[in-house]
Amino acid sequence: SYELTQPPSVSVSPGQTARITCSGDALPKKYAYWYQQKSGQAPVLVIYEDSKRPSGIPERFSGSSSGTMATLTISGAQVEDEADYYCYSTDSSGNHRGVFGGGTKLTVL
Amino acid sequence: QVQLVESGGGLVKPGGSLRLSCAASGFTFSDYYMSWIRQAPGKGLEWVSYISSSSSYTNYADSVKGRFTISRDNAKNSLYLQMNSLRAEDTAVYYCARTPMEYCSGGSCLYYFDYWGQGTLVTVSS
Repeated sequence: SYELTQPPSVSVSPGQTARITCSGDALPKKYAYWYQQKSGQAPVLVIYEDSKRPSGIPERFSGSSSGTMATLTISGAQVEDEADYYCYSTDSSGNHRGVFGGGTKLTVL
Repeated sequence: QVQLVESGGGLVKPGGSLRLSCAASGFTFSDYYMSWIRQAPGKGLEWVSYISSSSSYTNYADSVKGRFTISRDNAKNSLYLQMNSLRAEDTAVYYCARTPMEYCSGGSCLYYFDYWGQGTLVTVSS
């Protein structure tokens, strides 16, 4: 079955740049999407179609994709950005299943 | 504004059944695919199922196929998930989500979730 692989954790100090990666064999052909989930809350879409930002998402959130790897970048991370981040896409096997990465815990302190 | 409100969660014994509902407002419900996504306690997100805008197409994760049934009532702006033969591993918070379908052609589909409800907890335990 298709998998998206993320690092379990990333840690930065406030004001630094945080980068969270997501690797998957189908990413050269499929967009990646990124979700932020703060403790006890529902996920929120922060990046769609590799690099687009929904309205209301701060400009410090950006996304990129090259080959089999997508990257979420938080420039000048703030304490309130501490959360779990999940990448997402769909498989390319013809089953049309949605697939989430395992999630990355971002610590900002 | 878009609102999705899930209900119907609770405690159920293994082998039992439960029906989840999701009430949608703030957008034209009949224009969108809809999905269910779940999250086991302390674990990551798992896509469960989607249904097309007119109910013509449905799709399920292998882990629930044959046990869960997704449906919708566009007249009531509501999404449902009928869960049968429940197992302990189905214990999770279940979210409904609006699902823009980017494309679905040539044997390949791409969709994502732009708005989520707050979730409803399903606990399967004896």
